[in-house]
Amino acid sequence: QQPVQSPQAVILREGEDAVINCSSSKALYSVHWYRQKHGEAPVFLMILLKGGEQKGHDKISASFNEKKQQSSLYLTASQLSYSGTYFCGTANFGNEKLTFGTGTRLTIIP
Amino acid sequence: NAGVTQTPKFQVLKTGQSMTLQCAQDMNHNSMYWYRQDPGMGLRLIYYSASEGTTDKGEVPNGYNVSRLNKREFSLRLESAAPSQTSVYFCASSELLARSYNEQFFGPGTRLTVL
Repeated sequence: QQPVQSPQAVILREGEDAVINCSSSKALYSVHWYRQKHGEAPVFLMILLKGGEQKGHDKISASFNEKKQQSSLYLTASQLSYSGTYFCGTANFGNEKLTFGTGTRLTIIP
Repeated sequence: NAGVTQTPKFQVLKTGQSMTLQCAQDMNHNSMYWYRQDPGMGLRLIYYSASEGTTDKGEVPNGYNVSRLNKREFSLRLESAAPSQTSVYFCASSELLARSYNEQFFGPGTRLTVL
């Protein structure tokens, strides 16, 4: 099932923190996060595994809720370069291909 | 290293025409993927190849065929293009599908319009 992302769009000022959510109807094994700028390819940000292990960007972190059906991506002290559309890709098992959400458009203004 | 490369970058087809989208990676990855991206719908998996010599259907395989030519190359073929196949097509690769700890690397995309 396609994960649901929220919010669909958000506008923040430079320096503010951002939280983007990715929800599934089933428990998640892993969540991948990617950022895509207009007209470009998606770029890997980070991976969160069900055990809490994370792999990726220094200024970006993520967590699961208690049931592991929702992951939240945290962007602290956002910079103008953080603008773009953020996609989560989820897998319910360790050997599954990813299913991507419809994206969250983040706009950072000065 | 070039990473993941795709050709062509842009293509316009007429309904019923056929074409092949090419993808190559130089990272020695085992797994490769083809996605399509339509406005408001995110990335949808068309086909994937977990390893050289294997291919499997993804979410939206109808109207497409793939060939994993060797470890480096994975092509996507539209046999009879339809306007509904107008989209941006991304190829991606990762070290190994079986491990969810492997990030995917995306190519620059092919923008396809079917008239």
